[in-house]
Amino acid sequence: GENVEQHPSTLSVQEGDSAVIKCTYSDSASNYFPWYKQELGKRPQLIIDIRSNVGEKKDQRIAVTLNKTAKHFSLHITETQPEDSAVYFCAATQDTGRRALTFGSGTRLQVQP
Amino acid sequence: NAGVTQTPKFQVLKTGQSMTLQCAQDMNHNSMYWYRQDPGMGLRLIYYSASEGTTDKGEVPNGYNVSRLNKREFSLRLESAAPSQTSVYFCASSEPAGENIQYFGAGTRLSVL
Repeated sequence: GENVEQHPSTLSVQEGDSAVIKCTYSDSASNYFPWYKQELGKRPQLIIDIRSNVGEKKDQRIAVTLNKTAKHFSLHITETQPEDSAVYFCAATQDTGRRALTFGSGTRLQVQP
Repeated sequence: NAGVTQTPKFQVLKTGQSMTLQCAQDMNHNSMYWYRQDPGMGLRLIYYSASEGTTDKGEVPNGYNVSRLNKREFSLRLESAAPSQTSVYFCASSEPAGENIQYFGAGTRLSVL
């Protein structure tokens, strides 16, 4: 089955700096890669996703890049703000079959004001 | 439009007790999922249901049973709770024929003493 590795486990940045979180996946058949943000005690919320037919996707201050050959994808947050502080999870799945997500272990991002 | 609704929000059980976690979605999604989230780990798939009338095991199914009662509802049952089942449980749903984005419920925090 799929295995998703996520790094780093914790990340502390100053407000206004950029943050990068990286994930690798093992199953070359995976073709859908969402990123979820989870605030303390809350549900995971989708913030951005990418499918394997594109290499990069951007939405305001967040972007995701995908390298299918190397089987890794990354989340980039620019101009970080204190409200970006949360745990971020990457995930991978296929658009066929059961479509259940395989999650990384999470990155706790702390943005220092 | 409530999205995905889980009940209860919190539950404390004694070892050996049974209980059912309820999940309902009002988005007319075909697929539904149960995940558990343990500290320092990503969400892990317990069971999923690709469509009404079908269920299948995920990564960590032992000690659990599920019922896809109808298209809206997908319940998770613990027949004889164990301390190892102390966790936060999330239900999710998606529409495979559409964008296949998974939407999560607010979670059930379960403690087994």
